[in-house]
Amino acid sequence: GENVEQHPSTLSVQEGDSAVIKCTYSDSASNYFPWYKQELGKRPQLIIDIRSNVGEKKDQRIAVTLNKTAKHFSLHITETQPEDSAVYFCAASIGGNQFYFGTGTSLTVIP
Amino acid sequence: DVKVTQSSRYLVKRTGEKVFLECVQDMDHENMFWYRQDPGLGLRLIYFSYDVKMKEKGDIPEGYSVSREKKERFSLILESASTNQTSMYLCASGSYNEQFFGPGTRLTVL
Repeated sequence: GENVEQHPSTLSVQEGDSAVIKCTYSDSASNYFPWYKQELGKRPQLIIDIRSNVGEKKDQRIAVTLNKTAKHFSLHITETQPEDSAVYFCAASIGGNQFYFGTGTSLTVIP
Repeated sequence: DVKVTQSSRYLVKRTGEKVFLECVQDMDHENMFWYRQDPGLGLRLIYFSYDVKMKEKGDIPEGYSVSREKKERFSLILESASTNQTSMYLCASGSYNEQFFGPGTRLTVL
């Protein structure tokens, strides 16, 4: 089956700096890559996603890039704010039903 | 607004007890999922269901079973709870390309 690896497991940045989280996947058939944000004590929520026919997608301060050849995708957060502090999960999916999640990155934005 | 609810936020059970965790969604989704979340291990899929009375094993089904008698309800069952099943359990429901999560049940097995 699919195997998703996520790095780093923890990340601390100063407010205003950028944060980058990287994921790799193993199954070249994966074609959908969502990112979830989980604030402390809350449920994971989808923040951005990308499909395999697109190389980059942006939504305000967050962006996701996908390199199909290398089988990796990344989440970029610019101008970080304290409310960006959370655990972020990447996932890969073949066909959009079953998701394979990474192990999570705990992001701390230091004011 | 999609709602996925779980029967309990916190649950404490004893070793050997039978435990039921229930999940209900109100969006008429075909797909429902049960995950457990442990520090450093992310979200691991226990079981999922694509339709009523249908179930498929995920990555870590041992010690668990599920029931889906109605489309909106997906139950996770621990037949005989053990201490290594102490965890956060998250239910999700979804249509193609998105999963909506419930608030989670933190289960402690003593």
